[in-house]
Amino acid sequence: KNQVEQSPQSLIILEGKNCTLQCNYTVSPFSNLRWYKQDTGRGPVSLTIMTFSENTKSNGRYTATLDADTKQSSLHITASQLSDSASYICVVSGMYSGGGADGLTFGKGTHLIIQP
Amino acid sequence: DAGITQSPRHKVTETGTPVTLRCHQTENHRYMYWYRQDPGHGLRLIHYSYGVKDTDKGEVSDGYSVSRSKTEDFLLTLESATSSQTSVYFCAISPPGQGFNEQFFGPGTRLTVL
Repeated sequence: KNQVEQSPQSLIILEGKNCTLQCNYTVSPFSNLRWYKQDTGRGPVSLTIMTFSENTKSNGRYTATLDADTKQSSLHITASQLSDSASYICVVSGMYSGGGADGLTFGKGTHLIIQP
Repeated sequence: DAGITQSPRHKVTETGTPVTLRCHQTENHRYMYWYRQDPGHGLRLIHYSYGVKDTDKGEVSDGYSVSRSKTEDFLLTLESATSSQTSVYFCAISPPGQGFNEQFFGPGTRLTVL
């Protein structure tokens, strides 16, 4: 069964510090990997998407890396801000045919709290 | 939230009553999805639609039905709500040509079944 495991489950850091969130997956064959940010009480919003041929993608202070050989991804947040407090969800897309809905596997998320 | 609205945003109902949640989009996207999000589980797909009157089941479809009579509206119905259906429900849409990969989520509906 396809699985996406995220670590840590929760993380507390001080404002201005950097942090790295991890995502390991077993989805195969692999199509792409996306990181979402979900603020409390809102829907997830996409941060980055990477295909198997990409190993890094940046979006402002967010940098995602991908190692398709080891099936691992990380999301690095630089110079954290209070607004970075949120859940971060890793989503892996497997290959699918005919537009089927079984192509996405969601991680349970990492809950990040930035303290002033 | 990418032109997606969900209604109601909050609802409290009793076990055994029917409930319908509505997702409305202004993007004219072909694909629409319903997910539920529960602590410790992450997002799980309930049903999805790939066009008007074209729908299919997801991972956790038991106890749910859907309908899509117009491109812009996707309805999720709980025929007889149970306490296990207490959850936050998210609608999502996909733009054309990108299949299942590019998704934009609505603001969510928090449903409590007593």
